[in-house]
Amino acid sequence: DAGVTQSPTHLIKTRGQHVTLRCSPISGHKSVSWYQQVLGQGPQFIFQYYEKEERGRGNFPDRFSARQFPNYSSELNVNALLLGDSALYLCASSLVFGGRNEQFFGPGTRLTVL
Amino acid sequence: AQTVTQSQPEMSVQEAETVTLSCTYDTSESNYYLFWYKQPPSRQMILVIRQEAYKQQNATENRFSVNFQKAAKSFSLKISDSQLGDTAMYFCAFMKHMYNAGNNRKLIWGLGTSLAVNP
Repeated sequence: DAGVTQSPTHLIKTRGQHVTLRCSPISGHKSVSWYQQVLGQGPQFIFQYYEKEERGRGNFPDRFSARQFPNYSSELNVNALLLGDSALYLCASSLVFGGRNEQFFGPGTRLTVL
Repeated sequence: AQTVTQSQPEMSVQEAETVTLSCTYDTSESNYYLFWYKQPPSRQMILVIRQEAYKQQNATENRFSVNFQKAAKSFSLKISDSQLGDTAMYFCAFMKHMYNAGNNRKLIWGLGTSLAVNP
């Protein structure tokens, strides 16, 4: 079975632009979470979606938004990019909402804002 | 609010030796989950081991084991017979139990420990 996939792998944008990152969960997984990992730090939670509904939101500005589609894939959108948005963006999927909620991670998207 | 602290930014160990990575956390919850994740240079975050707070027995996965001290809020990872492939960033993470978390099942992470296994 394929693991969590993310696209693109790398992305270079300039300040003020908009970016869309995509994530496909493991088949059968209905929950997707997004994390931002700045170089040298641990990941920070951005959003969690389950059954197409937002179930959690981290401390990020409204420039960050996300959605989950009927096939459980997800998009993370960031508007008006700032230099500080440069980071590795990780997507994680999990089987059910509850239980041990083990999260399986994708390879990440490296976003560079110039 | 929950916090996770990893006090060792970098560690090194000789191949085949044993190394212990430290993690402490702060929470007022009585039931929760703790995880150790590994992130090699390839960036893929991989679950190493998990511990459920209501279980007294320390979790073990092959060469990896934890020392879970609930009262001290300590969760250390021991790697036995270290291998070159163990070279990676190791992150300790916390998650509330579903009954206390409401809708939010986020992972709260430490800053990580960079482990180098030397030949």
